[in-house]
Amino acid sequence: RKEVEQDPGPFNVPEGATVAFNCTYSNSASQSFFWYRQDCRKEPKLLMSVYSSGNEDGRFTAQLNRASQYISLLIRDSKLSDSATYLCVVNIRNTGFQKLVFGTGTRLLVSP
Amino acid sequence: NAGVTQTPKFRILKIGQSMTLQCTQDMNHNYMYWYRQDPGMGLKLIYYSVGAGITDKGEVPNGYNVSRSTTEDFPLRLELAAPSQTSVYFCASSSPLGVTSTDTQYFGPGTRLTVL
Repeated sequence: RKEVEQDPGPFNVPEGATVAFNCTYSNSASQSFFWYRQDCRKEPKLLMSVYSSGNEDGRFTAQLNRASQYISLLIRDSKLSDSATYLCVVNIRNTGFQKLVFGTGTRLLVSP
Repeated sequence: NAGVTQTPKFRILKIGQSMTLQCTQDMNHNYMYWYRQDPGMGLKLIYYSVGAGITDKGEVPNGYNVSRSTTEDFPLRLELAAPSQTSVYFCASSSPLGVTSTDTQYFGPGTRLTVL
């Protein structure tokens, strides 16, 4: 089983739609969770951290379900500029060194 | 702060040539990382460093070498370039992870390498 798994998509949605992505992780001891955004041929950029209580940043809402070991990202009122690949990222301890494991990403295409 | 900078942005190598990809960060981060990302694929960790003078292998270290003589710089060396090393290379840096729940990595803009 992969350490972090995501549906690769693509998710094709019209402008204004609400879209949700899920991500599952295998290491129950993981403590930190993030969503990154990656535009085509660009570097990944931090979108938001994911807190246990859930958190919101404008049109973006992240949720964490530790019992089921999944993380979600909800985007409301989608904009054309939201088209990108969204990477789920989990902090995993590996023989004493904590590392971030990146999912392969979910591609979102927002159309007019 | 410039953050994480990488040079060159693009490079074409012939099989068997060598080169060094440069990475510098000005955030005083102890941890630095090198990833490669093949088209349509996820990030794969090549090497990482937890401080000056300390480096360790990631998932895909074969064909690469690193050094870390200063906190700021973490160059990646390709010896005897092969077509399989055609990829986009990202350098990243961070504070030690796991100290707070928001500790995470920051990436440079990448180097696009083609080996022909």
